[in-house]
Amino acid sequence: DVKVTQSSRYLVKRTGEKVFLECVQDMDHENMFWYRQDPGLGLRLIYFSYDVKMKEKGDIPEGYSVSREKKERFSLILESASTNQTSMYLCASSLPGGLYQPQHFGDGTRLSIL
Amino acid sequence: AQSVTQPDIHITVSEGASLELRCNYSYGATPYLFWYVQSPGQGLQLLLKYFSGDTLVQGIKGFEAEFKRSQSSFNLRKPSVHWSDAAEYFCAVGDSNYQLIWGAGTKLIIKP
Repeated sequence: DVKVTQSSRYLVKRTGEKVFLECVQDMDHENMFWYRQDPGLGLRLIYFSYDVKMKEKGDIPEGYSVSREKKERFSLILESASTNQTSMYLCASSLPGGLYQPQHFGDGTRLSIL
Repeated sequence: AQSVTQPDIHITVSEGASLELRCNYSYGATPYLFWYVQSPGQGLQLLLKYFSGDTLVQGIKGFEAEFKRSQSSFNLRKPSVHWSDAAEYFCAVGDSNYQLIWGAGTKLIIKP
């Protein structure tokens, strides 16, 4: 069965810290995504990657960066965390084929920045 | 610009009753439409999708959705809900960059 694993379910960090959110998928998927989920706003795409070492900005990339050194792992980095980055972060992966391929989601990381 | 509207933030339905969750989209071309479900504490799971063809699509867990171009709608339905259907439901439309534009979600509450 498809499995997307996010390293932490809950994370508490302080303002100004550099924060790493890790995501691993075991399905050999080419595409990986990072979303942010906030109440009343749905999901907003931060970054996505369609291959190793490739990345594309989504709708809200400011304050974030990503790394994809291996196919199965996609990391989201908050360079200097701020309180407005407190949110639920969701990772997803899919096969190539654009929208024809469903996205498979991890269970999310609820991040609090104090 | 493309957008998705889910007018209902919360919906409460009695167990065994029928369900309809509304979704309206704004998109210039033929849309690719999706419904996902997020159970408490979990990620999202695809319920069903519409790309073309028959406007009534069947999904998992007994859900179906109907695409109505004239109304720019893609409403999700289920004839009889179960307590396990309590979750948040998201409608999404695929944009020209092959990304998903998401609605804000509708939280479904089931009354016993």
